[in-house]
Amino acid sequence: QSVLTQPPSVSGAPGQRVTISCTGSSSNLGAGFDAHWYQQLPGTAPKLLIYNNNNRPSGVPDRFSGSKSDTSASLAITGLQAEDEADYYCQSYDSSLSRVFGGGTKLTVL
Amino acid sequence: QEQLVESGGGVVQPGRSLRLSCAASGFTFSNYAMHWVRQAPGKGLEWVALISYDGSKKYYADSVKGRFTISRDISKNTLSLQMNSLRPEDTAVYYCAREPYISGWYRGDFDYWGQGTLVTVSS
Repeated sequence: QSVLTQPPSVSGAPGQRVTISCTGSSSNLGAGFDAHWYQQLPGTAPKLLIYNNNNRPSGVPDRFSGSKSDTSASLAITGLQAEDEADYYCQSYDSSLSRVFGGGTKLTVL
Repeated sequence: QEQLVESGGGVVQPGRSLRLSCAASGFTFSNYAMHWVRQAPGKGLEWVALISYDGSKKYYADSVKGRFTISRDISKNTLSLQMNSLRPEDTAVYYCAREPYISGWYRGDFDYWGQGTLVTVSS
């Protein structure tokens, strides 16, 4: 059982918008700690997608955006493309457990 | 070009030890905290251990505390993970990852990852 809760899977057609939720508690997201998001393509290492709730590293398309409110965070992907099919993980800091991850969400592009 | 390259993985019997290494290049190693994160086959990501930018502070997940030791050699730009008393549930791909340390603050995210090294604990 992961400290941060994500839906196991989401799906969408090319061009559509999808969101992935990440729910925490008062010891992590609710305590004001930031949410970060990673994309893991099949057979590869995770890649940073969003840091500090809503910041994109250089090279990440602006189709990806993040937001956070109280104990929850969300990743939104607009203009869905086939290459976006991957696993997505949220991550934060927990006052009792240091760094924590969500269980991951598999995005399927229909 | 920044790189993190892990090595040292392999097959090991339960109860034995293994030492992983992560060679860093292309960036200022001392500007980053370093972590080990693992991923069991078909499972999600699990944070394992952290060492501060200067090596003075170390933190571990409860699942490895007392068995694993993280260390870094700033002169050689190398991160290590000494794993003792290995268990079958330690079987995973182990990634090293860096966390930016900016103006006295840790940013909180892992902005670059190595390609990982597979550790299999089995008799």
